[in-house]
Amino acid sequence: EVQLVQSGAEVKKPGESLKISCKGSGYSFPNYWLGWVRQMPGKGLEWMGVIHPGDSDTRYSPSFQGQVTFSADKSITTAYLQWSSLKASDTAMYYCARRAEINGYYVDYWGQGTLVTVSS
Amino acid sequence: SFELTQPPSVSVSPGQTARITCSGDALAKQYTYWYQQKPGQAPVVVIYMDTERPSGIPERFSGSSSGTIVTLTISGVQAEDEADYYCQSADSGGTFWVFGGGTKLTVL
Repeated sequence: EVQLVQSGAEVKKPGESLKISCKGSGYSFPNYWLGWVRQMPGKGLEWMGVIHPGDSDTRYSPSFQGQVTFSADKSITTAYLQWSSLKASDTAMYYCARRAEINGYYVDYWGQGTLVTVSS
Repeated sequence: SFELTQPPSVSVSPGQTARITCSGDALAKQYTYWYQQKPGQAPVVVIYMDTERPSGIPERFSGSSSGTIVTLTISGVQAEDEADYYCQSADSGGTFWVFGGGTKLTVL
């Protein structure tokens, strides 16, 4: 069974750093692109970018380029999303999302989401 | 630009047909995918490649495409269909995605 299990909710202060994780299981982790999707409170889905865990090839949405960093460790089948200096506007639910490899470019599996709250 | 536009809301009575549109220039060349998201849950794909329905998705969900406009149709809407619906597309390499703004479906 394919699963993406994300790390737990975080409460941080502005300016702090953060790294959240997404552990894949039940499939060949290096071979599937993984995306990150932000959902701010009461708002829609925003694509942040994707990473290919096999070679760490990374593509960022222009809106998030320079604001976040993706990484992956295929030896432990885990992808990461990190911030070096959080802002209050980073408060959101963050989902990792596996891109299907057949029948088009869509998300066939989602993580359960990690809620990040940034508040002073 | 690679943008997808959806109506913010659609309302229908139970048993009626709901149609949710998604428009964007890129849709003439790229496939569209539809997701359903209920409160507190991750999204679930209900249509892929414009018209295909994943296993486990009820037959009342269907998709169609005409040029730069794609439509998600829910026939015989049920109360459980009340949710937010998002369209999504990607570039030809599948590494640049975009989501529509989402449509809140209300079942009256």
